[in-house]
Amino acid sequence: AQSVAQPEDQVNVAEGNPLTVKCTYSVSGNPYLFWYVQYPNRGLQFLLKYITGDNLVKGSYGFEAEFNKSQTSFHLTTPSALVSDSALYFCAVREARVDSSYKLIFGSGTRLLVRP
Amino acid sequence: NAGVTQTPKFQVLKTGQSMTLQCAQDMNHEYMSWYRQDPGMGLRLIHYSVGAGITDQGEVPNGYNVSRSTTEDFPLRLLSAAPSQTSVYFCASSYKVDQPQHFGDGTRLSIL
Repeated sequence: AQSVAQPEDQVNVAEGNPLTVKCTYSVSGNPYLFWYVQYPNRGLQFLLKYITGDNLVKGSYGFEAEFNKSQTSFHLTTPSALVSDSALYFCAVREARVDSSYKLIFGSGTRLLVRP
Repeated sequence: NAGVTQTPKFQVLKTGQSMTLQCAQDMNHEYMSWYRQDPGMGLRLIHYSVGAGITDQGEVPNGYNVSRSTTEDFPLRLLSAAPSQTSVYFCASSYKVDQPQHFGDGTRLSIL
C-alpha cells in the first residue's frame, strides 16, 4: 500500500535562512511525487512534481525538491525563506502505474513558520 | 476562468440529516476527487472519478456516495450525517493522473 510520512509537524526558521521540509514515501513501484502548499482557509496549491527524469525538481516560489530513490525521500527545500512562505505544506505520492487507479495519498502536513 | 468551485462554503447539519456537497470544474478535466481534511491527518481520499460514469472508492468511503454524470460535476452525498463527518471537504480535479490537481476552497461542515 502507498504511504507518505512527514515526520515534522512544524518547522521554524528565520527569514533569509535555508529550510528543508522532509517527506518519505512508500510505494510498490515507481512513484509520482508532489508538493502542495495551503494558506489559511484556502485549498491546496501545487508547488512542484517529480514524474521522471532529473532528480532535482524546481517549482514555484523558489522551492525545489530532490527525488532520492534509495532513501525513498522527496524533501522540499529553499535556499532563503521568506515570511510569506509561512503555510502548511503537504507531500503526496501516487504509484506510477497505468491502470484506472487514481489514489493520490497525502502526508499529514508540515506547518512552516518563518519569523522576521 | 473559475477553476474548481465548491458550494456551500459552510454548513451545519444535525445528526442523521443528509446533504449534497457540490463540486464543479470548468477545465474539462477527466479526473476528479473528494478529500476530507482533519487536524493532524492531512487529506484523506474519499472517492474519485477517472471520467464521466466512472467512480471508485478511496481511503475513507464509508458514509459517502458520489456520482459523475457529466465531466464538469462531481457531487458528494452524505447519506446520514454523523459527528465523525465534521471536517473540511475539498474537491480537486486534474487533466491526467500525472498532472497536478486543482483544488477548490473547501466546504467546512459541522455535524451536531
